[in-house]
Amino acid sequence: KAGVTQTPRYLIKTRGQQVTLSCSPISGHRSVSWYQQTPGQGLQFLFEYFSETQRNKGNFPGRFSGRQFSNSRSEMNVSTLELGDSALYLCASSASVTGATGELFFGEGSRLTVL
Amino acid sequence: AQRVTQPEKLLSVFKGAPVELKCNYSYSGSPELFWYVQYSRQRLQLLLRHISRESIKGFTADLNKGETSFHLKKPFAQEEDSAMYYCALSGSGAGSYQLTFGKGTKLSVIP
Repeated sequence: KAGVTQTPRYLIKTRGQQVTLSCSPISGHRSVSWYQQTPGQGLQFLFEYFSETQRNKGNFPGRFSGRQFSNSRSEMNVSTLELGDSALYLCASSASVTGATGELFFGEGSRLTVL
Repeated sequence: AQRVTQPEKLLSVFKGAPVELKCNYSYSGSPELFWYVQYSRQRLQLLLRHISRESIKGFTADLNKGETSFHLKKPFAQEEDSAMYYCALSGSGAGSYQLTFGKGTKLSVIP
């Protein structure tokens, strides 16, 4: 079974631009969640989707958004990029209907650098 | 609010010595607790969860609700245990859809 796939793996943007990150979950997994990882704040929850519905959102500004498609693939978008958005963005999928209470399978992440 | 605290950023032990990675949590309801591990150049992966009450790679963790702790233990450390360890909590209701992570402890096992 293929693991969680995230694209692109690395990207560099400048302040004010926007970025879209993509995540393909493990086949059959309907829950997809996103986390931001930085050296200072660690792993922080962004949002979680199940069957195209956002079920929970973390404490991030509205510039951070996401969506999930009918095939469970998910995208997240960050608009008006700021230097502080530089981070590793991790996607995770779960077979559990209840989301994080089941095992999360993580992707390798998309490393975003904002200049 | 959900909070997980891992007091040690770095823990160094000799091979064969016992290991204890500390984790304390704050949550008003009944949480589910997990340990996730990231080995060098590998993805973050689940090590164990408290409801399974199992031992994985020789590691065990007991949920102590009185002390709100979920410490990870192994009686004899191996070099391959060197990794980054994250304690995580999942709550109830909408909180069950997210993990709250501690900031992690880097375990270094000295040969």
